[in-house]
Amino acid sequence: DQQVKQNSPSLSVQEGRISILNCDYTNSMFDYFLWYKKYPAEGPTFLISISSIKDKNEDGRFTVFLNKSAKHLSLHIVPSQPGDSAVYFCAALAYNTDKLIFGTGTRLQVFP
Amino acid sequence: DSGVTQTPKHLITATGQRVTLRCSPRSGDLSVYWYQQSLDQGLQFLIQYYNGEERAKGNILERFSAQQFPDLHSELNLSSLELGDSALYFCASSVGKQRAMDTQYFGPGTRLTVL
Repeated sequence: DQQVKQNSPSLSVQEGRISILNCDYTNSMFDYFLWYKKYPAEGPTFLISISSIKDKNEDGRFTVFLNKSAKHLSLHIVPSQPGDSAVYFCAALAYNTDKLIFGTGTRLQVFP
Repeated sequence: DSGVTQTPKHLITATGQRVTLRCSPRSGDLSVYWYQQSLDQGLQFLIQYYNGEERAKGNILERFSAQQFPDLHSELNLSSLELGDSALYFCASSVGKQRAMDTQYFGPGTRLTVL
């Protein structure tokens, strides 16, 4: 039972354009969401997070949007750069637990 | 560099064998987490230790066990290995004080291949 879903396994975007990565979840107990970026042969690196009491969080080129009614979140990268090419994982935390539940990841490729 | 170290980087072994994966957390971090990433899968949470004690358990098989030592390093023991145990095993650490405000920092992983 996949509680966190990333339905697009891959995404290709031109440099300078916006990248939008999507994530859906099913568990209403999730109250904190995170995005991790992973390069080959490295562990995931924390990128940005959002609490369920917010609907937007911004950090430089990265913005995460949360739509609780739709159980959907998205990561926007503007402008996209070739160095952003990586696998992006969405993850969620349920209330009163420390267990991160990860999606299966979306491979982003930013081409010149 | 996240500050989390994992050894070995690669491990190749045979079915039925037992292996130990080691993780050293970032300096000052009290929590250690173990995750398994199989082919084309997301990271699956296995287990968490906080300051030497088990704190949370995920989808960890009975053939797997872990512990956290007084110096806070952790070991994940995998026994009676099966082909399906081939995966990337990640360790992560965090300060462990404030839930959900507490970023987990991941090591580079150990790639286990069971032949």
